[in-house]
Amino acid sequence: QSALTQPRSVSGSPGQSVTISCTGTSSDVDYNYVSWYQQHPGKAPKLMIYDVSKRPSGVPDRFSGSKSGNTASLTISGLQDEDEADYYCCSLAGSYWAFGGGTKLTVL
Amino acid sequence: EVQLVESGGALVQPGGSLRLSCTASGFTFSSYWMSWVRQAPGKGLEWVANIKRDGSEKYYVDSVKGRFSISRDNAKNSLDLQMNSLRAEDTAVYHCATHEGRKFDYWGQGTLVTVSS
Repeated sequence: QSALTQPRSVSGSPGQSVTISCTGTSSDVDYNYVSWYQQHPGKAPKLMIYDVSKRPSGVPDRFSGSKSGNTASLTISGLQDEDEADYYCCSLAGSYWAFGGGTKLTVL
Repeated sequence: EVQLVESGGALVQPGGSLRLSCTASGFTFSSYWMSWVRQAPGKGLEWVANIKRDGSEKYYVDSVKGRFSISRDNAKNSLDLQMNSLRAEDTAVYHCATHEGRKFDYWGQGTLVTVSS
């Protein structure tokens, strides 16, 4: 059982916005350290957001992160076909780094 | 260009041992914490272990403590994971990743470890 819970799947049409939530189930989770990763099938994960809302260079500004209480969120606006992938949140949970179970984003 | 290339994955019997390696290029390896992250077939990501820039600090997820050992050779730009007493639940693709600050910046493609009789 991960310390971070994500919805198994979300979907949206091209051009729409979707939000993926990441809820901490442990009091040890540090919500200031949340990062998000995109993974296409058979590929290595790619860092999309770190420290809740910071974007690495090269990541489109369509991707944004936020947090409220014990829930962090990744919002993807202006959905594109290439955004279809698995998305994982991650943060420090006490003495280890926890990943959420992952959310499959389907672009309809 | 940052490159991380893992090797050493194989089919191994339960109770066996395996040593994974990760060769880094395109960045100053000695300036980065490094981690191993694994992904069981069809499952999510699981952080396994990390190691400080100079190798002086190492941390492990509880499920591998006492069985796995992470190490690095900054002169060779390499990261290793020695895995002993392997179990079926250790079956996964093992990725190495830079782990600086509070993020896993760069990832390798991974190497598959299968534990089965």
